[in-house]
Amino acid sequence: GNSVTQMEGPVTLSEEAFLTINCTYTATGYPSLFWYVQYPGEGLQLLLKATKADDKGSNKGFEATYRKETTSFHLEKGSVQVSDSAVYFCALSSNAGGTSYGKLTFGQGTILTVHP
Amino acid sequence: NAGVMQNPRHLVRRRGQEARLRCSPMKGHSHVYWYRQLPEEGLKFMVYLQKENIIDESGMPKERFSAEFPKEGPSILRIQQVVRGDSAAYFCASSPRPVQETQYFGPGTRLLVL
Repeated sequence: GNSVTQMEGPVTLSEEAFLTINCTYTATGYPSLFWYVQYPGEGLQLLLKATKADDKGSNKGFEATYRKETTSFHLEKGSVQVSDSAVYFCALSSNAGGTSYGKLTFGQGTILTVHP
Repeated sequence: NAGVMQNPRHLVRRRGQEARLRCSPMKGHSHVYWYRQLPEEGLKFMVYLQKENIIDESGMPKERFSAEFPKEGPSILRIQQVVRGDSAAYFCASSPRPVQETQYFGPGTRLLVL
């Protein structure tokens, strides 16, 4: 079956530090890959996505590249801000065999805290 | 364009009561997904519905849980005879089409069973 593995957290950084959150996946077929962000007490917001190999998703300074050869979709940001403190979820959607209907498989989430 | 609406945002029930969670998808979206987030865990898929049809309920517990998405009105996730282990955040997401489409999430309903 499908699965997503994220680096274990929590991650604590100082403002303007470089961020990497690792994400690897197992899936049949050709999944779409997503990063969602969850702020305290809120629902999930799409941060970025990539739908095919070598695509790069980017938004608000965050980037992730769909690497089929390493089955990875690592999230990076060059300079984090205090306002980036949140929980980050890597997810995939695969319709291999026509039975998944787009349902998302999530990683366990990584808590990011950025200090001034 | 209003986002996905969920209500109530917080729900407290005693063991054995029923919990009813509502989800109104974004305008123009006819595909609804329900996910559950247990404490300290990621989200797990529960059920996928289109209008008046349950398409995939492979993530739903076999007993006490049911879902519907009627022709008119919101999607409902119903939990009968709640137990403490049902305490979680329940999120609804909608999309205009299934498969490779972005799902837009509601703010969630946080259920606490006493």
